Amino acid sequence: QKEVEQNSGPLSVPEGAIASLNCTYSDRVSQSFFWYRQYSGKSPELIMSIYSNGDKEDGRFTAQLNKASQYVSLLIRDSQPSDSATYLCAVNAAGNKLTFGGGTRVLVKP
Amino acid sequence: ETGVTQTPRHLVMGMTNKKSLKCEQHLGHNAMYWYKQSAKKPLELMFVYNFKEQTENNSVPSRFSPECPNSSHLFLHLHTLQPEDSALYLCASSQDWTGVAGELFFGEGSRLTVL
Repeated sequence: QKEVEQNSGPLSVPEGAIASLNCTYSDRVSQSFFWYRQYSGKSPELIMSIYSNGDKEDGRFTAQLNKASQYVSLLIRDSQPSDSATYLCAVNAAGNKLTFGGGTRVLVKP
Repeated sequence: ETGVTQTPRHLVMGMTNKKSLKCEQHLGHNAMYWYKQSAKKPLELMFVYNFKEQTENNSVPSRFSPECPNSSHLFLHLHTLQPEDSALYLCASSQDWTGVAGELFFGEGSRLTVL
């Protein structure tokens, strides 16, 4: 079983719609959760972090965490073509290791 | 110079060559990392240095040899690589390596091709 699992996509959404990305993780003791965005040919950049159950909003981005169900999600509201990228879920699990999922490719179509 | 810089950006080498990748961070961070990113595979942690001391070697083959002379510089020495080592090698830094360490700042990467 993969430690951090994401649907590889591509997730195709029309401009202005909500993109919903999901991530599940296997290590129950995980405490910290992150979303990174990676444009094609570029390096990942951190866009959201979440540490406690519930929702965390930052601009058009909302991260949602449910530790009991071991999933974390990212919502992108009012999606723009500039949001087209691969979104990486990362989980800080046992031993201070940051483990990344394989990423979900998002395509926002004008 | 700002952020994390990596050189070279692109490298082509034969299996018998010896080369090095260089990373420099200008953020005043204490932890530095090497990650490998291959097509269709998640980012793989290779090495972690915290205050110049290696704290993690994620079962990386000995043909990859890291060096961290100070908290701002990190090298990855390469020798007798295999074609399957072709990948994007990403350097990253963070303030420190703690239990909630997750805010990594990545360099632009070094694209390595092994012929």
